[in-house]
Amino acid sequence: DGGITQSPKYLFRKEGQNVTLSCEQNLNHDAMYWYRQDPGQGLRLIYYSQIVNDFQKGDIAEGYSVSREKKESFPLTVTSAQKNPTAFYLCASSGRTGSFAYQPQHFGDGTRLSIL
Amino acid sequence: GENVEQHPSTLSVQEGDSAVIKCTYSDSASNYFPWYKQELGKGPQLIIDIRSNVGEKKDQRIAVTLNKTAKHFSLHITETQPEDSAVYFCAASRGSNFGNEKLTFGTGTRLTIIP
Repeated sequence: DGGITQSPKYLFRKEGQNVTLSCEQNLNHDAMYWYRQDPGQGLRLIYYSQIVNDFQKGDIAEGYSVSREKKESFPLTVTSAQKNPTAFYLCASSGRTGSFAYQPQHFGDGTRLSIL
Repeated sequence: GENVEQHPSTLSVQEGDSAVIKCTYSDSASNYFPWYKQELGKGPQLIIDIRSNVGEKKDQRIAVTLNKTAKHFSLHITETQPEDSAVYFCAASRGSNFGNEKLTFGTGTRLTIIP
């Protein structure tokens, strides 16, 4: 089945550690996104990538880093500089057409990160 | 940047009744408006979307209306069923030749269907 796979589902981090969240898609989508979701808030954009080897900061990029070495993969690293990393992290992807069109973003089932 | 406000934050309706969730947006250049349903522990799932060149779109029991002049759009669910219970998010973005890019989300509505 085509889709977006996020792993692990639950992740625990010690103070001062970096952790990396995995996101893989087999939808052949060009664009990939990372969002953070906190209770009672909407999704906030951390980073996004429209093409391999290129990515842009979203609204809350501080304390996070990404890479896009392969079309199907967009890992997110939560660094020790992120002071409040406990949240639900969602990865999404969207396709691309040659005409002026609207391609929905499809989401994975998220990774819940907690601090020990 | 874009700002999307969503109301109400919680909504309870009797099974079989209709539910309406409303969103307003601030960027007049926004032209794509999706709605997502999120169940507990899952990622959001797209349920319907609308472009700015139409005023209404329906898909079975779900409909979305858009008022560009007032900059608001609404989700309507008719004949509600227990499986409609979830958190619903609206979003807005500017479309482009690439496709919709930065989505700005509302803060969500927790819909509970009372049997």
